[in-house]
Amino acid sequence: GNSVTQMEGPVTLSEEAFLTINCTYTATGYPSLFWYVQYPGEGLQLLLKATKADDKGSNKGFEATYRKETTSFHLEKGSVQVSDSAVYFCALSPQGGSEKLVFGKGTKLTVNP
Amino acid sequence: DTAVSQTPKYLVTQMGNDKSIKCEQNLGHDTMYWYKQDSKKFLKIMFSYNNKELIINETVPNRFSPKSPDKAHLNLHINSLELGDSAVYFCASSPSSGAGKETQYFGPGTRLLVL
Repeated sequence: GNSVTQMEGPVTLSEEAFLTINCTYTATGYPSLFWYVQYPGEGLQLLLKATKADDKGSNKGFEATYRKETTSFHLEKGSVQVSDSAVYFCALSPQGGSEKLVFGKGTKLTVNP
Repeated sequence: DTAVSQTPKYLVTQMGNDKSIKCEQNLGHDTMYWYKQDSKKFLKIMFSYNNKELIINETVPNRFSPKSPDKAHLNLHINSLELGDSAVYFCASSPSSGAGKETQYFGPGTRLLVL
């Protein structure tokens, strides 16, 4: 079946530190991959996505590259800010789309000034 | 304009009551979803509708009954609420075809607390 495994948190960093949140997946074919972010007390927002191998999704300084050979979609940011404190979810949509998203368990990031 | 909206945002109720959560999207999407987020933040699909037709039902107790009066709305009715139903419920939508059909857009969530 389809599954997503992401690094367990919580992750605590100082402002301007480098961020990596690991995400690996199991799926048949070529799923689409996503990172969603949930700020405290808010809903889910799409952060970035990649729909085919070697695609790089990017938004707000965050990046993730779809690596088929390692079935990974790690999230990175070169310099985090306090405002990046949130829970980050890696997710996949099976090949073909329009089906349920399968989520990782989420990684809570806290950035201290 | 809010793309996917849910009402209410907060819902506090007693065990045994019946309650409904409403969801509306103005994105013109054909497919809508309900997800449940538990106390550990884990998100799991509950239902999916395409053009008012149920296409996914993920082993959810039959106390939960989704209703889609039209493709822009997907409501969730819960009978005989239990303590374990306390969670955040998210509505989402996506197009059913074309570019971007794999991307789902989420509402702000409804925080349900059953006492």
